[in-house]
Amino acid sequence: QLQLQESGPGLAKPSETLSLTCTVSGGSISSSVHYWGWIRQPPGKGLEWIGSIYYSGSTYYNPSLKSRVIISVDTSKNQFSLKLNSLTAADTAMFYCARRDNAGGHFDYWGQGTLVIVSS
Amino acid sequence: QSVLTQPPSVSGAPGQRVTISCTGSSSNIGAGYDVHWYQHLPGTAPKLLIYYNNNRPSGVPDRFSGSKSGTSASLAITGLRAEDEADYYCQSYDRSLSASVVFGGGTKLTVL
Repeated sequence: QLQLQESGPGLAKPSETLSLTCTVSGGSISSSVHYWGWIRQPPGKGLEWIGSIYYSGSTYYNPSLKSRVIISVDTSKNQFSLKLNSLTAADTAMFYCARRDNAGGHFDYWGQGTLVIVSS
Repeated sequence: QSVLTQPPSVSGAPGQRVTISCTGSSSNIGAGYDVHWYQHLPGTAPKLLIYYNNNRPSGVPDRFSGSKSGTSASLAITGLRAEDEADYYCQSYDRSLSASVVFGGGTKLTVL
């Protein structure tokens, strides 16, 4: 059974850079038929797609976040990572990593999520 | 403001049928992109409920069904149960936003 697990600091300071990692187990991140993505949910709000990456390193991002986001992949560790810079309190959210089906575009496996609070 | 519009809340009594709408435009649902639906219970990971507009992953009861027409899609839940109380999100793809994945704003289902 495929599993995804997010890891990273639960607290970050304004103006700093957030770094999160998603570790994939029970399957290979080098799948040719999947992308891997990050989605977040601010408290009391809905889901927001941040961006996705293919195992080759090809990425695409939410246009509203593109200037602040970098997603990378490490196939040797079966992990992909998120960096979000210039943090503000508005970036406080639950962050999820998920697997995205290439053909349909749906996210079929999700991590449990990690809460990140941006506060000084 | 989400590109895909959902009602903030719906409700129904146990055993009843409810529907949740997801309204888009000619740049997303109306352009022929598939719609997917997720169930999200507080404190848990979102769960894929419907994919490719009307397909259920293994393990999802047939009480859940999806449809799509024009620039809108709908999720129907029949035989409502207490455990269906959750947030529901639609998701699609929008070609006007640099080819972007988009979610609806979410709908809170309350089982009365």
